[in-house]
Amino acid sequence: EVQLVQSGAEVKKPGESLKISCEVSGYSFPKYWIAWVRQTSGKGLEWMGIIYPGDSNPRYSPSFRGQVTISADTSINTAYLQWSSLKASDTAMYFCARVSTKETLWDAFNIWGQGTMVTVSS
Amino acid sequence: DIKLTQSPSTLSASVGDRVSFTCRASQRIDTWLAWYQLKPGKAPKLLIYKASALESGVPSRFSGSGSGTEFTLSISSLQPDDFATYYCQQYYTSWTFGQGTRVEIK
Repeated sequence: EVQLVQSGAEVKKPGESLKISCEVSGYSFPKYWIAWVRQTSGKGLEWMGIIYPGDSNPRYSPSFRGQVTISADTSINTAYLQWSSLKASDTAMYFCARVSTKETLWDAFNIWGQGTMVTVSS
Repeated sequence: DIKLTQSPSTLSASVGDRVSFTCRASQRIDTWLAWYQLKPGKAPKLLIYKASALESGVPSRFSGSGSGTEFTLSISSLQPDDFATYYCQQYYTSWTFGQGTRVEIK
């Protein structure tokens, strides 16, 4: 079974760093793009960035470039989303999602993680 | 950026109703459009891709149509499990989502 399992909820203070994970199973991790999507009550769903684990080459939405870092470790089939200095406005649910078609970038997301709730509050 | 506008924002309906809602793109996107169902605490679920292709395992009461700039998601007979929020997404250039249509019990 294809699965994306995300790390658990986090509560952090402004200025702290954070790295959340998305562990995949059931398919060839290097060969499918993995995206990160933010969900907030105010802005709905927003695509943040995407990475091809096969070459660890991330691409970022202009809205999130410089704000987060996306990476992947093919030795443990895991993708990551990290912040170096969190802000209160980063409070949101974060999803990882797999692009549907192998070795294809522009496609829908057919498998999603269960989400990681990040709360940033002093 | 391509903007997607969904309408209505909220739709009240009863079990058994046929419902439809729309997604309009700010520029032509051919049929590079997907629909997702979101429920609190659950992973989003892909329903429709390429505007009208039904994802494997999705009930046939869901259907999608449209091309260019106007798209529709229909549910032929609303079931209790269908009360959720639905988002469209374009993947013609990068990825953007609509703001969602919430389907609530009338």
